Amino acid sequence: SQQGEEDPQALSIQEGENATMNCSYKTSINNLQWYRQNSGRGLVHLILIRSNEREKHSGRLRVTLDTSKKSSSLLITASRAADTASYFCATDATGSNYKLTFGKGTLLTVNP
Amino acid sequence: SAVISQKPSRDICQRGTSLTIQCQVDSQVTMMFWYRQQPGQSLTLIATANQGSEATYESGFVIDKFPISRPNLTFSTLTVSNMSPEDSSIYLCSVAEGGRYYEQYFGPGTRLTVT
Repeated sequence: SQQGEEDPQALSIQEGENATMNCSYKTSINNLQWYRQNSGRGLVHLILIRSNEREKHSGRLRVTLDTSKKSSSLLITASRAADTASYFCATDATGSNYKLTFGKGTLLTVNP
Repeated sequence: SAVISQKPSRDICQRGTSLTIQCQVDSQVTMMFWYRQQPGQSLTLIATANQGSEATYESGFVIDKFPISRPNLTFSTLTVSNMSPEDSSIYLCSVAEGGRYYEQYFGPGTRLTVT
C-alpha cells in the first residue's frame, strides 16, 4: 500500500495566493522529497528534506517535516498559473535501499 | 542533475504485443528505477535496475511480464510483454547519482495505451 497520503486531493486557488499541501506517512524515513508533475509528464524534483531537518526553503517553496507526527507540508507562496500541476511526496523509508514510495498526490490549480 | 530521455514518448499498441521502452542518461549513474503510473494514480515502483546485476522486482511485478536490461551505466530498457488494456499507463525511469542515491531524477515518461 502507499506509504504517503497527501491532502487535499485537489486544491484550487487564485494567482498570488499561497498553497499548502500536506503529506503523511507510516514508517520511519531517511528523507522525504516533493515532486511536481505537469499534465501526466515526467516528474520534476522540487526539494528534499532529511529526517533530521525540520524546515527547508527553496525559492517560493517551504517544506516542513515533523517526524513525530510522520507528516510534511509543502507551502508554495505567491502562486502563479504556471504552478498548476500535481504535487507528490515521496519517502525513502529506513532500510528500503533507496526505494521511493509515493503518495497519491495533490492536484493544484492556480487560476489567473 | 542528470538529463534523462525516454523513447518512445508515447505509443498505442495492440493487445498481446510487446513494447520496449528505452531510458538514456547523459552521465553514468549507478542506480536506475522503473515506475508505472496508472491513469489518475500515483507512481508505483516496478523494479530497480543496477548495472551488472539482475533487476530487483517489487511485489506484484514479475520478470516475464516486465523484463529489464541494464547493459551499461547510461542506458536501460523496460519491456512490457503480452500487453492488455490494464497495462495502459505512463512508464517512467529514474536515476540516482553517486553519493546521492536517495535523490531521484525522472525521465519525461512514456505514455502507453493498449487497445
